Amino acid sequence: DGGITQSPKYLFRKEGQNVTLSCEQNLNHDAMYWYRQDPGQGLRLIYYSQIVNDFQKGDIAEGYSVSREKKESFPLTVTSAQKNPTAFYLCASSNIASGMIYNEQFFGPGTRLTVL
Amino acid sequence: QKEVEQDPGPLSVPEGAIVSLNCTYSNSAFQYFMWYRQYSRKGPELLMYTYSSGNKEDGRFTAQVDKSSKYISLFIRDSQPSDSATYLCAMSAGLRGSNYKLTFGKGTLLTVNP
Repeated sequence: DGGITQSPKYLFRKEGQNVTLSCEQNLNHDAMYWYRQDPGQGLRLIYYSQIVNDFQKGDIAEGYSVSREKKESFPLTVTSAQKNPTAFYLCASSNIASGMIYNEQFFGPGTRLTVL
Repeated sequence: QKEVEQDPGPLSVPEGAIVSLNCTYSNSAFQYFMWYRQYSRKGPELLMYTYSSGNKEDGRFTAQVDKSSKYISLFIRDSQPSDSATYLCAMSAGLRGSNYKLTFGKGTLLTVNP
């Protein structure tokens, strides 16, 4: 089955620790995204990548880092610099083929991160 | 003023009711409009997509866009308990080179009671 997988489903972090959230897609999509969802806040864009080895900051990138070494993988690291990391993290991907303007974003099942 | 405004609800209706969900926006460059459905503790899934103004129907769901009023709606006819979810509107300017950017509303929590 084609789709997006995120792991782990639940993650607990102690204060001062870095943690890495995994996102893998087998849809052959060029673009991948990370969003954060908080209650009453909607989805906010953290980072996005339109091509391997390149990525851009979204609206709330501070305290986060990403890498895009492979087309199918876009891991997100939540660093100790992120002051309020407890949230639901969603990864998405889309096909941005040449000539397309609109791209549907397909979402993974999410990772719920809790800071202890 | 936020770019996209959406009433968070919660909205509770009896089974079979017609549901109306709405978003307003301020950015006149938006021309692609989407509705996502998100079940509790799951990722959002695309429900409806509309380009520019007009209506689009898919089964029990109808999406409407009024660009002159900067107002979009999602109607659900004959609502079912399985429609209970959070509904997120999303919009994009669809500009070449930056078509990644989706701006989301905060979502409306809908409960359909049997």
